[in-house]
Amino acid sequence: DQQVKQNSPSLSVQEGRISILNCDYTNSMFDYFLWYKKYPAEGPTFLISISSIKDKNEDGRFTVFLNKSAKHLSLHIVPSQPGDSAVYFCAASAVGNTPLVFGKGTRLSVIA
Amino acid sequence: DTGVSQNPRHKITKRGQNVTFRCDPISEHNRLYWYRQTLGQGPEFLTYFQNEAQLEKSRLLSDRFSAERPKGSFSTLEIQRTEQGDSAMYLCASSPRTAGPYEQYFGPGTRLTVT
Repeated sequence: DQQVKQNSPSLSVQEGRISILNCDYTNSMFDYFLWYKKYPAEGPTFLISISSIKDKNEDGRFTVFLNKSAKHLSLHIVPSQPGDSAVYFCAASAVGNTPLVFGKGTRLSVIA
Repeated sequence: DTGVSQNPRHKITKRGQNVTFRCDPISEHNRLYWYRQTLGQGPEFLTYFQNEAQLEKSRLLSDRFSAERPKGSFSTLEIQRTEQGDSAMYLCASSPRTAGPYEQYFGPGTRLTVT
């Protein structure tokens, strides 16, 4: 049973446009959500996070939105750059600092 | 480079052999995690240390797997009697004591191929 779902395996976006990556979760005990970026032959790199007490967190070109009632979060990247091309993983942790649960990832390709 | 390091980066072994991987976390990070990632999947949690104490183990961690962190610094993950299904990327991550454990910093991983 997948508790964190990223239903889009891949996404292609033109340079300069907005990239929107989506993530759904099923466990209502999750209280912290993170996005990681992964380049080939490297480990995942922490990108941005959001606590369940917030509905938005912004860091430069990256914004994460959380809709608790829908159990949905999204990562917005604007403007998208070719260097953003990578696999993006959504992850969640439950109350009590449980280990991270990851989605399967979405491969983002930003086309120049 | 002060990031998480893992050795070896690649390991090819024959079925039935034992393998051991090493992880050196970021200095002063007291929490250390092992994950396994197979093709098309996200990282899956295996086990977690706080200092030298192993606090949690996933049901994915069969009896053939053992992890240690003897002095609360580096960690090793050993797989005995490897099987082809053990082929995966093994990732190590660490987290500092001054922050919540959520923000974990990952190493480059060790890719294991069992033939």
